[in-house]
Amino acid sequence: DAGITQSPRHKVTETGTPVTLRCHQTENHRYMYWYRQDPGHGLRLIHYSYGVKDTDKGEVSDGYSVSRSKTEDFLLTLESATSSQTSVYFCAIRATNTDTQYFGPGTRLTVL
Amino acid sequence: QKEVEQDPGPLSVPEGAIVSLNCTYSNSAFQYFMWYRQYSRKGPELLMYTYSSGNKEDGRFTAQVDKSSKYISLFIRDSQPSDSATYLCAMTDNAGGTSYGKLTFGQGTILTVHP
Repeated sequence: DAGITQSPRHKVTETGTPVTLRCHQTENHRYMYWYRQDPGHGLRLIHYSYGVKDTDKGEVSDGYSVSRSKTEDFLLTLESATSSQTSVYFCAIRATNTDTQYFGPGTRLTVL
Repeated sequence: QKEVEQDPGPLSVPEGAIVSLNCTYSNSAFQYFMWYRQYSRKGPELLMYTYSSGNKEDGRFTAQVDKSSKYISLFIRDSQPSDSATYLCAMTDNAGGTSYGKLTFGQGTILTVHP
């Protein structure tokens, strides 16, 4: 699992509430990514980070923000959760000097 | 039209069969290709990666890239029930370096190998 953990692993929340998902890595990788996975869409990039305090948007970033204050932690925040954000969220790191990415175990989020 | 197209299946085969999984893509700049395997309720795990055209073999798995046709394949020989999973292709137009390494994924093919 490339030393990646995600928390929480499961969460049920209500529409309009803020939610923060955490990704933690133990191997000091520079690049970290947040994806969501939905039936029929595969994996879609939400945001990514290329260093501490360096982040940028992916293809489905609306309604999400991220922060990275330490190399090992990358946080994904839904400021005001909506039912369309019900999904499985995966964090990934990029292996040094390659384009291969390694994924965490995922967080299953349900917004009621 | 999606940049990467993958037949979602589902695909059901008997144990011992040869499985062929395929993706087509439209971006001719893609040069680095990956296959991931994802078991139910788990994260994707990297199975194979190849650079440019050609074949790469790893045990029962062979990854094939045909850039002229914009087509990649994953072959599984002597398939086993433990191969039952979703298989995702992924690709990028980067080759390491300073870019952020955006991967474009196919939708995934659900494979079931029955005893």
